[in-house]
Amino acid sequence: GAVVSQHPSWVICKSGTSVKIECRSLDFQATTMFWYRQFPKQSLMLMATSNEGSKATYEQGVEKDKFLINHASLTLSTLTVTSAHPEDSSFYICSASLRGEQFFGPGTRLTVL
Amino acid sequence: AQSVTQLDSQVPVFEEAPVELRCNYSSSVSVYLFWYVQYPNQGLQLLLKYLSGSTLVKGINGFEAEFNKSQTSFHLRKPSVHISDTAEYFCAVSEGSSYKLIFGSGTRLLVRP
Repeated sequence: GAVVSQHPSWVICKSGTSVKIECRSLDFQATTMFWYRQFPKQSLMLMATSNEGSKATYEQGVEKDKFLINHASLTLSTLTVTSAHPEDSSFYICSASLRGEQFFGPGTRLTVL
Repeated sequence: AQSVTQLDSQVPVFEEAPVELRCNYSSSVSVYLFWYVQYPNQGLQLLLKYLSGSTLVKGINGFEAEFNKSQTSFHLRKPSVHISDTAEYFCAVSEGSSYKLIFGSGTRLLVRP
């Protein structure tokens, strides 16, 4: 099956620092990847659609200057949370699209102190 | 605009009993429908999907769902649950061309011995 990995699985950082999260499709190429955010006991909220070789498309209300997305290759998309604050603490999940189906990574738990 | 409603936030059930998790959606166009399961601190795993064809869809772990266009529903069922089925279940809808997933709020299935 199609496997998607995320790195790191968890990260703790100080307020004001930036954190980069990687999403990789391990055994397939994905022209489209998605980034979601999930607060405790809540559903997934789509943040942005990442397209290889072009700018990401952000959902309404998501600050593109705060959540920088780079999709430089067909197997890697990165999400950088810039100047992180405690309210950015959340579970971030990526997915990669293959033949119309999305395959999800295991998620990254970000805690901002 | 698309939306997904999961009316039940939590469904408690005894082991070996049948269960139904409800999902209703709204969309002005044809949609694809999905059910995902999420175990604590993990990503999402696809249980089953409806793209076209037979309205009764069988998935992994003994789950099945029925697409009802007139009632705009896609309820998930299992005839006999196990303790290991305890998890969060998400219904999702997408318009095929965009592959974007819109998730419901989730239903926590709690299986008791």
